Amino acid sequence: EVLLVESGGGLVQPGGSLRLSCPASGFTFSSYWMSWVRQAPGKGLEWVGNIKQDGSETYYVDSVEGRFTISRDNAKNSLYLQMDSLRAEDTAVYYCARDGNQKYFDSWGQGTLVTVSS
Amino acid sequence: DIQMTQSPSTLSASVGDRVTITCRASQSIRSWLAWYQQKPGKAPKLLIYKASSLESGVPSRFTGSGSGTEFTLTISSLQPDDFATYYCQQYNTYPPTFGQGTKVEIK
Repeated sequence: EVLLVESGGGLVQPGGSLRLSCPASGFTFSSYWMSWVRQAPGKGLEWVGNIKQDGSETYYVDSVEGRFTISRDNAKNSLYLQMDSLRAEDTAVYYCARDGNQKYFDSWGQGTLVTVSS
Repeated sequence: DIQMTQSPSTLSASVGDRVTITCRASQSIRSWLAWYQQKPGKAPKLLIYKASSLESGVPSRFTGSGSGTEFTLTISSLQPDDFATYYCQQYNTYPPTFGQGTKVEIK
């Protein structure tokens, strides 16, 4: 069974930083692209960014480019999201997700809530 | 970015009804479309990929169709477990983008 478990969310002030983690199990982690997807309270889904199997390529949505960094540690079967210069509009539940054969998402974690507020 | 527009935003239906949700893309995405189901407080669940391919374990009452810019998700006979919000997502072009969602509620 594929298992993705996000952690690291919480309350942070505007301009602050937070690092999310997502350990994975139940599949060969190093064989898959991985993504972060977020959902603001009461709103729809927004893809944040993804990372290639070996970490050599990353892509981001424009709204987080230069502020967020996705990384992975294949030895630890873990995905990370470093979030800097956080804004109120970054408040959301953040999900890690496994990319399918193309850029759809076939497995999701349970999500972790990030709240940016003073 | 490619804009995805779903209709309707909310749909009221009864158990046993046939339900159809439409998703339109702002430009052709060929067949690179996925559908997800999300229940309150839960993560989305993949239902359909490549417009019409059923994800393993998903009941056959869910079918997807379409190509280019217009797509549909049909639930042939609505079950109590199907009351949820449904999202389409294109993955033809970066960034992957989602529709705004269609909430299927009990009539």
